[in-house]
Amino acid sequence: DGGITQSPKYLFRKEGQNVTLSCEQNLNHDAMYWYRQDPGQGLRLIYYSQIVNDFQKGDIAEGYSVSREKKESFPLTVTSAQKNPTAFYLCASSENRGTGVPYEQYFGPGTRLTVT
Amino acid sequence: GDSVTQMEGPVTLSEEAFLTINCTYTATGYPSLFWYVQYPGEGLQLLLKATKADDKGSNKGFEATYRKETTSFHLEKGSVQVSDSAVYFCAGKDSGAGSYQLTFGKGTKLSVIP
Repeated sequence: DGGITQSPKYLFRKEGQNVTLSCEQNLNHDAMYWYRQDPGQGLRLIYYSQIVNDFQKGDIAEGYSVSREKKESFPLTVTSAQKNPTAFYLCASSENRGTGVPYEQYFGPGTRLTVT
Repeated sequence: GDSVTQMEGPVTLSEEAFLTINCTYTATGYPSLFWYVQYPGEGLQLLLKATKADDKGSNKGFEATYRKETTSFHLEKGSVQVSDSAVYFCAGKDSGAGSYQLTFGKGTKLSVIP
């Protein structure tokens, strides 16, 4: 079955450590996204990538980094510079077509990161 | 910038009750609109969508109609079940060229009691 996988489901880290969250998709989608979800705040976009070897900052990119070396993979690194990293992180992907077409985004199951 | 205003929860309903969750979208153009559902501990699933005025999206008994004059996309279901308990997110995507970002509302938590 096609879909998006994120691993691990739960991740625990000590403050000051960098941590990388995995996101893999086999939907053959060009575009991929990372969101952060906090209670009562909905989803906020961290980074997105429209095509391999290219990515753009979203609304809350500070303290995060990404890479897009392969079409199917879009890992997110939460660096020690991120002041409040504990959150639920969601990866998504979508087709990359012309204007006028709704880009449904398909989401992975999420990774819950806890930093103490 | 674009914004989504969604009815605040939590909403608690008895089984078989009627559900409405309000959503309005503020944008410079005419966006595509979506409803996503998130079950506990899971990612988001697309529930339904509409791309232009008067479009009606429907799925699993849920419906929403894109009202252009108010840019609203209210979610409705005639008879909710316990299994509908989840968080519902309204989202919009600007119709501008090269626009890839979805703007999400804050979510509405629905609890359905037997």
